[in-house]
Amino acid sequence: QSVLAQPPSASGTPGQKVTISCSGGSSNIGGNTVTWYRQVPGAAPQLLIYTNNKRPSGVPDRFSGSKSGTSASLAISGLQSGDEADYYCSTWDDSVKGPIFGGGTKLTVL
Amino acid sequence: QVQLQESGPGLVKPSQTLSLTCTVSGASISTGAYTWSWIRQPAGKGLEWIGRIYSNGATYYNPSLKSRVTISRDTSKNQFSLRLTSVTAADTALYYCARELNFYGSGSSNWFDFWGQGTLVTVSS
Repeated sequence: QSVLAQPPSASGTPGQKVTISCSGGSSNIGGNTVTWYRQVPGAAPQLLIYTNNKRPSGVPDRFSGSKSGTSASLAISGLQSGDEADYYCSTWDDSVKGPIFGGGTKLTVL
Repeated sequence: QVQLQESGPGLVKPSQTLSLTCTVSGASISTGAYTWSWIRQPAGKGLEWIGRIYSNGATYYNPSLKSRVTISRDTSKNQFSLRLTSVTAADTALYYCARELNFYGSGSSNWFDFWGQGTLVTVSS
């Protein structure tokens, strides 16, 4: 069981906005920043958001991240069929002294 | 462009030792602010960080695996390696190597910006 809680699935129709949540505790999200990764089947995870809300070069501004207290969210606007993937949140954990991950959310574009 | 490539046996017998190597190109594992990590993912499940090696050769492991893990490096080949001892079926997973960036302080940040393609290791007799 993952330390960070994510809904197992999410869905939306093309053009919609979808939000994926990630919940943790004071020793992880509460005191540190959040990272989001996108993973399509058969491929390695890809960095999507870092330091709560920063996008690496090449990631469209349709993807945005936010954090409040011990929870974080990833929002995807203007949903496209190509956005279908698994999305993982991650953060530093003060006990592990390393990153921990959520269980992942499978996004389906209907 | 930074590239990482995992290599090693795809099948390991229970109780034996899993050994993998990550070959890095486009960046040096012995300089800079980056660290180099191993991460694994059982089929259909989430990600688990295994451990890291720093540019000075120091290592740090996930406490949940610490007793069985060793990460080492060969700077002449720009490679770092993973050894996991006493494996069981629970260690069957896709193993990734990745470049990691950490910022420590009142609000630590951590992310992996480049990943290898992953290598599947199955533990079975």
